[in-house]
Amino acid sequence: DAKTTQPNSMESNEEEPVHLPCNHSTISGTDYIHWYRQLPSQGPEYVIHGLTSNVNNRMASLAIAEDRKSSTLILHRATLRDAAVYYCILRDITASKLTFGTGTRLQVTL
Amino acid sequence: NAGVTQTPKFRVLKTGQSMTLLCAQDMNHEYMYWYRQDPGMGLRLIHYSVGEGTTAKGEVPDGYNVSRLKKQNFLLGLESAAPSQTSVYFCAAYPGVGGYTFGSGTRLTVV
Repeated sequence: DAKTTQPNSMESNEEEPVHLPCNHSTISGTDYIHWYRQLPSQGPEYVIHGLTSNVNNRMASLAIAEDRKSSTLILHRATLRDAAVYYCILRDITASKLTFGTGTRLQVTL
Repeated sequence: NAGVTQTPKFRVLKTGQSMTLLCAQDMNHEYMYWYRQDPGMGLRLIHYSVGEGTTAKGEVPDGYNVSRLKKQNFLLGLESAAPSQTSVYFCAAYPGVGGYTFGSGTRLTVV
């Protein structure tokens, strides 16, 4: 599986936008970029995924670099409930498995 | 619509005891997975299934067995529990496109 690199932790103020980066320099053409988050004492929750184009949904936006070697998860207005560990994961289109790294722990403060 | 339901939520076992964790999904998804998560770490895949009657090994399968006799259920068995199997276990279901749906976890302690 291609590897991703994320900062261990980030901080944000409530109601500010948050940009969570992910580097994946060895991404292949068949790798989808997935983002999940895990709130304290809960299972991971699907956030968003994309292949080449930027994606938006009710939870977040995903900005994918033109060369696909990096991506950014954007939370438009962070709330205290967004405090979680965010995982950036590459999943090959032919594979049925998700391989988790250690993610980015996001702290949101008032 | 419950999604993915895991039972039990908590369990304490003595070393050498056996138990089965149940994962049930009501979304008719083909793929199901069992992960474990140790403190401060990401999830590691134990076993998975790409359809009823099929199972495959993941990253850390030793000491575990699984069965998928019915599409909606995926069972994880510990034959002889060891303290190293103390962990939080998560089940997930996946339809083949889009995102995975995870259960809320089973916290297992082996003493």
